[in-house]
Amino acid sequence: GAGVSQTPSNKVTEKGKYVELRCDPISGHTALYWYRQSLGQGPEFLIYFQGTGAADDSGLPNDRFFAVRPEGSVSTLKIQRTERGDSAVYLCASSLGQGLAGGFEQFFGPGTRLTVL
Amino acid sequence: ELKVEQNPLFLSMQEGKNYTIYCNYSTTSDRLYWYRQDPGKSLESLFVLLSNGAVKQEGRLMASLDTKARLSTLHITAAVHDLSATYFCAGASGGGADGLTFGKGTHLIIQP
Repeated sequence: GAGVSQTPSNKVTEKGKYVELRCDPISGHTALYWYRQSLGQGPEFLIYFQGTGAADDSGLPNDRFFAVRPEGSVSTLKIQRTERGDSAVYLCASSLGQGLAGGFEQFFGPGTRLTVL
Repeated sequence: ELKVEQNPLFLSMQEGKNYTIYCNYSTTSDRLYWYRQDPGKSLESLFVLLSNGAVKQEGRLMASLDTKARLSTLHITAAVHDLSATYFCAGASGGGADGLTFGKGTHLIIQP
């Protein structure tokens, strides 16, 4: 079956602009996660959704970052007034989010490489 | 707050040799994950370890978990060039489907 997909694969924007990054999780996965990975580092947790609601947004760095998942499937990560320090690869993952403990295994998408000039 | 430390961060080894990557974590973690990442690619799930003493093997890779020592290991047996990649361990401090805390990764180069 199809894995996690993310669009766009690359996004170049100018400082101060607004961007939206999209994630389409594996069908039937109720949990969806956003991470940010800087060069040479491990992924850093941003936010996780269980269904439509944000269950934990403690990783969002500031109020310029916001994410939604209105119908419990596709999610959009929104970044306002982008800064050069926002440049990174933004990864989305999904999991079954319930049932046996193995249902919490997270499957990652290919990522969106964001470059802020 | 859960912290995850991996060592070594860089490892160059020859084909045919054995080696172990170590992952220490700071507080109770319900689950411990290992991922592989090739350059420019996303993360591929290798193992999910759920309980103390858990051991899982896939090909030349074997992962284990010691929750009392807060330590997981990834052992590579008779390394081959195709295993060259960056390996990450990650833990989850809460129950359920919480977000993961990743280590910095171990960049592994296997030379012929």
